[in-house]
Amino acid sequence: DAGVTQSPTHLIKTRGQQVTLRCSPKSGHDTVSWYQQALGQGPQFIFQYYEEEERQRGNFPDRFSGHQFPNYSSELNVNALLLGDSALYLCASSLGGGVRAKNIQYFGAGTRLSVL
Amino acid sequence: QKEVEQNSGPLSVPEGAIASLNCTYSDRGSQSFFWYRQYSGKSPELIMFIYSNGDKEDGRFTAQLNKASQYVSLLIRDSQPSDSATYLCAVDLGGSYIPTFGRGTSLIVHP
Repeated sequence: DAGVTQSPTHLIKTRGQQVTLRCSPKSGHDTVSWYQQALGQGPQFIFQYYEEEERQRGNFPDRFSGHQFPNYSSELNVNALLLGDSALYLCASSLGGGVRAKNIQYFGAGTRLSVL
Repeated sequence: QKEVEQNSGPLSVPEGAIASLNCTYSDRGSQSFFWYRQYSGKSPELIMFIYSNGDKEDGRFTAQLNKASQYVSLLIRDSQPSDSATYLCAVDLGGSYIPTFGRGTSLIVHP
């Protein structure tokens, strides 16, 4: 049973560049959420995709955008990178668009982004 | 402001002892509560989830939920050095089905 997979594992970019991170959900899951985790902090919710639409968004600027494909995989795009965007980016998958009280999320290994 | 609060620690316990990790949350209407373990440099791994008041046990782990007092705890019995990690509490707040994470508590189990 394939778990959540993310690529790439590490990425180094410079300020102002753009980056695309990719995620494939756990087998049988249809919902993908993206989180940013800075060092020493808990994961911060960026947005969630279900049925190829953004269902909910956290407190992140429009530089952060995403997409979900028909096979449920997802991409996170960040434009005009800032030094403060350096973090571990986590993808979490779940089932059913996040039915309340049953939204169990499973995380991928993450992509560590360094912005120089 | 809706929040999930955890003491960042570190919490240091001897091998074989009970480790007690606590989490408080701000929204009385929250229904879903999760504990994740995160080893250094790795991603969070789900340990327990609980929806009802009371205790839920799974092996050496027990989650305790008290909705009236708005706290959820994780007890780890017979702690092992391999339990040394950061433990993240996550709660759905404010009617959202998206869990909000605390900053985590660092646990160190020393031999």
